[in-house]
Amino acid sequence: DIQMTQSPSSLSASVGDRVTITCRASQDISNYLVWYQQKPGKVPKLLIYAASTLQSGVPSRFSGSGSGTDFTLSISSLQPEDVASYYCQKYNSAPLTFGQGTRLEIK
Amino acid sequence: QVQLQESGPGLVKPSGTLSLTCGVSGGSISSNINWWSWVRQPPGKGLEWIGEIYHSGSTNYNPSLKSRVTISIDNSKNQFYLKLNSVTAADTAVYYCARGLGGLLDYWGQGTLVTVSS
Repeated sequence: DIQMTQSPSSLSASVGDRVTITCRASQDISNYLVWYQQKPGKVPKLLIYAASTLQSGVPSRFSGSGSGTDFTLSISSLQPEDVASYYCQKYNSAPLTFGQGTRLEIK
Repeated sequence: QVQLQESGPGLVKPSGTLSLTCGVSGGSISSNINWWSWVRQPPGKGLEWIGEIYHSGSTNYNPSLKSRVTISIDNSKNQFYLKLNSVTAADTAVYYCARGLGGLLDYWGQGTLVTVSS
């Protein structure tokens, strides 16, 4: 089965910083990659699908890129409300697999 | 607007069976484009996909849980179900049900905490 590896596992950055989270698949998954945001105590929310397509209503400071095995989630200017854990997930075929998550905090 | 709601016991004894129901409203569970998933999250840890079901009854499971999991569906009630047997403390988690669209999970329930303890 395909494994998903995220890095870093945690990240602390200042308001206004550009933040990048990476996700690596153990095999080629084309662009079947989705990113979720989970704020503390809340339900995961779909942010980006097809590696780079922003879900409706998601602020434009979020962006995704990549194809094949290497993917990134970027926040162009970190805001306090972006404090959350971020998860990648591959969906090219079952089983669906999540990365282990990246916890993002404000410095 | 599709809504999902998990229900079931919040406490299960070790070696017992965890049973949860997910009720779907605002949409049909018999949709031809959706699969219906269960996902869990142990306290302070990450997300783990458990498995999914289609309205026909076809299922896919996480290989690591496959021997202990059964997901079923009742189209007439617009509900689907999770059974996890032989539970241990490691199965303590918030359990979510979610709607799948081409494999991405676009609507989630609020989650229900299930604790395995005697």
